[in-house]
Amino acid sequence: AQSVTQLDSQVPVFEEAPVELRCNYSSSVSVYLFWYVQYPNQGLQLLLKYLSGSTLVKGINGFEAEFNKSQTSFHLRKPSVHISDTAEYFCAVSSSAGGTSYGKLTFGQGTILTVHP
Amino acid sequence: DAGITQSPRYKITETGRQVTLMCHQTWSHSYMFWYRQDLGHGLRLIYYSAAADITDKGEVPDGYVVSRSKTENFPLTLESATRSQTSVYFCASCQSPATGELFFGEGSRLTVL
Repeated sequence: AQSVTQLDSQVPVFEEAPVELRCNYSSSVSVYLFWYVQYPNQGLQLLLKYLSGSTLVKGINGFEAEFNKSQTSFHLRKPSVHISDTAEYFCAVSSSAGGTSYGKLTFGQGTILTVHP
Repeated sequence: DAGITQSPRYKITETGRQVTLMCHQTWSHSYMFWYRQDLGHGLRLIYYSAAADITDKGEVPDGYVVSRSKTENFPLTLESATRSQTSVYFCASCQSPATGELFFGEGSRLTVL
């Protein structure tokens, strides 16, 4: 079984400040990790993903995340946020091995990022 | 236009009624998924389908039925709606689940009175 915990339900920040959204996961097998963003009244869209290789992955809109296997974390960062980054962000995990969890994404509870002017 | 579309976008129904949410994708993706989104729970998988005529339960399948007679369609039916099924429902599709890039519809907001 796999699970995802997003440590902050809401993160308020001022425009141009840095931000970190925290995500920890639990899994008995090796995993793929993802961050999705949901703008109001829309579906989710992929921000970035870690499948293998470099533990620092870069995504769209200036976001990046670092996979830390020893700490089972996949925190999302942006050095300078914009008003348009206001959205809900979801961390997700899927199994990279076979078995019943293969290919099925498990999502965290979401973090609402609010960027203030 | 290519993409994934859900209908209806908004639906109000009463307890005990049958409701079907439609999902249609134009990419010929093999995999399709139904999630529900509730405050504090994120997204939870209801059912998924790896191909036409192949479906399987997700995390919260009770009270839901799916079918996939054609690759492009994946309807979700609530056979007898309950208040606890008030939620926003998202359909998603992908060609290869291993890469994790699901493409989501805009959601169907269902209210059960």
